[in-house]
Amino acid sequence: GEDVEQSLFLSVREGDSSVINCTYTDSSSTYLYWYKQEPGAGLQLLTYIFSNMDMKQDQRLTVLLNKKDKHLSLRIADTQTGDSAIYFCAEKPDSWGKLQFGAGTQVVVTP
Amino acid sequence: DGGITQSPKYLFRKEGQNVTLSCEQNLNHDAMYWYRQDPGQGLRLIYYSQIVNDFQKGDIAEGYSVSREKKESFPLTVTSAQKNPTAFYLCASSTGQGLETQYFGPGTRLLVL
Repeated sequence: GEDVEQSLFLSVREGDSSVINCTYTDSSSTYLYWYKQEPGAGLQLLTYIFSNMDMKQDQRLTVLLNKKDKHLSLRIADTQTGDSAIYFCAEKPDSWGKLQFGAGTQVVVTP
Repeated sequence: DGGITQSPKYLFRKEGQNVTLSCEQNLNHDAMYWYRQDPGQGLRLIYYSQIVNDFQKGDIAEGYSVSREKKESFPLTVTSAQKNPTAFYLCASSTGQGLETQYFGPGTRLLVL
């Protein structure tokens, strides 16, 4: 099974905020990431957070990290139709570079 | 422009045939990766390479092979032993240390005739 878990689907109305949740298992993970995948394309890095932080904000994106619960979330403010995509959470569980990805959350933005 | 390229965009395989997917990067990254993506299953790691002339099996290496003769190139061969090869294949690269941002190529969709 997946070491990183995400809900599979989220529907949100245009202009509302989206919140995508993720739980991970390795408490030693140093970095946690959010990637975006548009249909038929590769993954694009959206943002990341270092494990000694609990929040990071980057324009419309806010990442919250709760290390105690191993819970990561991505909030997208003022969601637009261009935000419709699959969003992947990933953790870096050891000192070398392999990442562990979740199954992805399909976000659908409706007018 | 720096980045990762994959070719072809679509590839058709006949039964019993080996096919090779190309991945090239000009980011001067040491590490490269191959992932397989199936609907609803996220990304699964096939092979990865930390440095030239070295590579390691990932979680689903059976039926696949790779080589890493040059830093910028990491081709993936899907052999006839891979019985269910239909999937979207993604190549990525990274520095291999520290903040491990992986940069992805646009993907190759492999279909079986």
